[in-house]
Amino acid sequence: DGGITQSPKYLFRKEGQNVTLSCEQNLNHDAMYWYRQDPGQGLRLIYYSQIVNDFQKGDIAEGYSVSREKKESFPLTVTSAQKNPTAFYLCASSPDRGGTSTDTQYFGPGTRLTVL
Amino acid sequence: KQEVTQIPAALSVPEGENLVLNCSFTDSAIYNLQWFRQDPGKGLTSLLLIQSSQREQTSGRLNASLDKSSGRSTLYIAASQPGDSATYLCAVRAGTYKYIFGTGTRLKVLA
Repeated sequence: DGGITQSPKYLFRKEGQNVTLSCEQNLNHDAMYWYRQDPGQGLRLIYYSQIVNDFQKGDIAEGYSVSREKKESFPLTVTSAQKNPTAFYLCASSPDRGGTSTDTQYFGPGTRLTVL
Repeated sequence: KQEVTQIPAALSVPEGENLVLNCSFTDSAIYNLQWFRQDPGKGLTSLLLIQSSQREQTSGRLNASLDKSSGRSTLYIAASQPGDSATYLCAVRAGTYKYIFGTGTRLKVLA
């Protein structure tokens, strides 16, 4: 089945630790995204990538880092510099490079990160 | 700055009722508008996408409309069922890689 997988489903982080969230897609999509979702707020963009070896900061990139070494993979690292990381993290992909109005974002199942 | 608002934040209806969810946005310069469904603790599933040049889209019991001039979209759900219970989010594509999401409407359909 084609789709987006995220792992782990639940993640616990101690103060001062870096943690990495995995996102893999087999949809052959060029663009990939990381969003953060907090209760009562809409999704906020952390980073996005248009193509392998290229990525751009979104609205709330501070304290996060990403890499895009392979087309199908876009891992997100939550660093100790992120002061309030407890949230639900969603990865998404879309099939094009943003040139049309018909493209849809496809979402993974999410990772819930909790700081202990 | 584009802002997306969804009203109401929560809604409970008896099974079988037809209902309308509202989404408003502040800037009419959009590529498209999309409605998503989110079940608790899950990712988003796309329901309908309306291109900026379109007025509505239909899929089964769902119908979404778009009025760019007034900055509004509605999602109409016919003959609601308990399985429709979820949070519904709208999102506008405001730029090449810029999607702005509303905070969602949490729907509960009572059997």
